[in-house]
Amino acid sequence: KQEVTQIPAALSVPEGENLVLNCSFTDSAIYNLQWFRQDPGKGLTSLLLIQSSQREQTSGRLNASLDKSSGRSTLYIAASQPGDSATYLCAVLHSGAGSYQLTFGKGTKLSVIP
Amino acid sequence: DAGVIQSPRHEVTEMGQEVTLRCKPISGHDYLFWYRQTMMRGLELLIYFNNNVPIDDSGMPEDRFSAKMPNASFSTLKIQPSEPRDSAVYFCASSPPGLAGGTDTQYFGPGTRLTVL
Repeated sequence: KQEVTQIPAALSVPEGENLVLNCSFTDSAIYNLQWFRQDPGKGLTSLLLIQSSQREQTSGRLNASLDKSSGRSTLYIAASQPGDSATYLCAVLHSGAGSYQLTFGKGTKLSVIP
Repeated sequence: DAGVIQSPRHEVTEMGQEVTLRCKPISGHDYLFWYRQTMMRGLELLIYFNNNVPIDDSGMPEDRFSAKMPNASFSTLKIQPSEPRDSAVYFCASSPPGLAGGTDTQYFGPGTRLTVL
């Protein structure tokens, strides 16, 4: 059974700092890995999607890497801003019971202090 | 596009009552997913549809839960009878056709916060 773990569960940093969020998964047979952002009381917004054949994806100040063989991904946020405060979830798409499943980690709650 | 639309946004009901949650996916998307989010268990996939057909309902917790998709623009998730442990945020998401089926990103609705007293 695929399991996704995110460490740390919560993180507080001062504005301007660079930071790394970690995600690990137990089964390397994945189609892709996605990082989502969730704001309080809101749905999820996809930030980056890395296909299984890719090593990294970049969008603005965000960079996500994928090491499928070791079952790890990192989300790097450069020059953090208070507006980056949110919960960040990692999810892997994989096969399960003859269909596709997206399994989520429980997220890292990020607080960027002005 | 208005994105994925869910209604109601909040629902408070008493144990034993029937609850119906509604979802309108993004036009042109042929995958629709229902998730449940709780503090204890995080986000869990309940069921998903492709072209209005249920593909995987292994995440549906028990027979009290049922989901339908009568057409490409509407889906419902019904709980009957509801119990306090069903209290959670229920999300609907949709996805366009992907290279390997559902491998494109999913677009989430704002969720329905359900409280069962």
